[in-house]
Amino acid sequence: DAGVIQSPRHEVTEMGQEVTLRCKPISGHDYLFWYRQTMMRGLELLIYFNNNVPIDDSGMPEDRFSAKMPNASFSTLKIQPSEPRDSAVYFCASSELAGGHYEQFFGPGTRLTVL
Amino acid sequence: TQLLEQSPQFLSIQEGENLTVYCNSSSVFSSLQWYRQEPGEGPVLLVTVVTGGEVKKLKRLTFQFGDARKDSSLHITAAQTGDTGLYLCAGASPGNQFYFGTGTSLTVIP
Repeated sequence: DAGVIQSPRHEVTEMGQEVTLRCKPISGHDYLFWYRQTMMRGLELLIYFNNNVPIDDSGMPEDRFSAKMPNASFSTLKIQPSEPRDSAVYFCASSELAGGHYEQFFGPGTRLTVL
Repeated sequence: TQLLEQSPQFLSIQEGENLTVYCNSSSVFSSLQWYRQEPGEGPVLLVTVVTGGEVKKLKRLTFQFGDARKDSSLHITAAQTGDTGLYLCAGASPGNQFYFGTGTSLTVIP
């Protein structure tokens, strides 16, 4: 398997623009997670899905952020409008519940810079 | 609220030395995991511990889950330059909420 695939790997945009990050999870995994990583706040869980349904979005910072999972092989995280404080590395991870716990496999991340 | 505090935050040691990284919380977790992250990449799972008091060994790495399932430690014996990276603990609460620790950045100097 190719692992979790994220695109783009790097994104530079200007404040106010819409940004869409994409993720293809590992085939067969029924959980998908979106994280944000910064030096100041570390790795933060934004939202996660189970069988394409959002389960917990309490980590989504505000209404400018939205995430969708239209099918088992694709998810998007959208920021509209983007702000400089959204600059971070965004990770997607997928997992299956094995033995009562998650074992998450992370993608390579998307480094977002908002000018 | 950061539920999992790791210490130390930064660690720089000579190749061949031993080290221990700690992951502490006031909350009980149903399982705890350790990940290593290298620059420009996502975290990679090293181990999962699920039973209080459990000890797991992965070559030169020894992982321990506290008896009360609130804390964990990672001990590396005879560190190598390839051990350099960001070490993250992650806990799953009984309600399946998932939290990552603050991270320990390890640099092993040749």
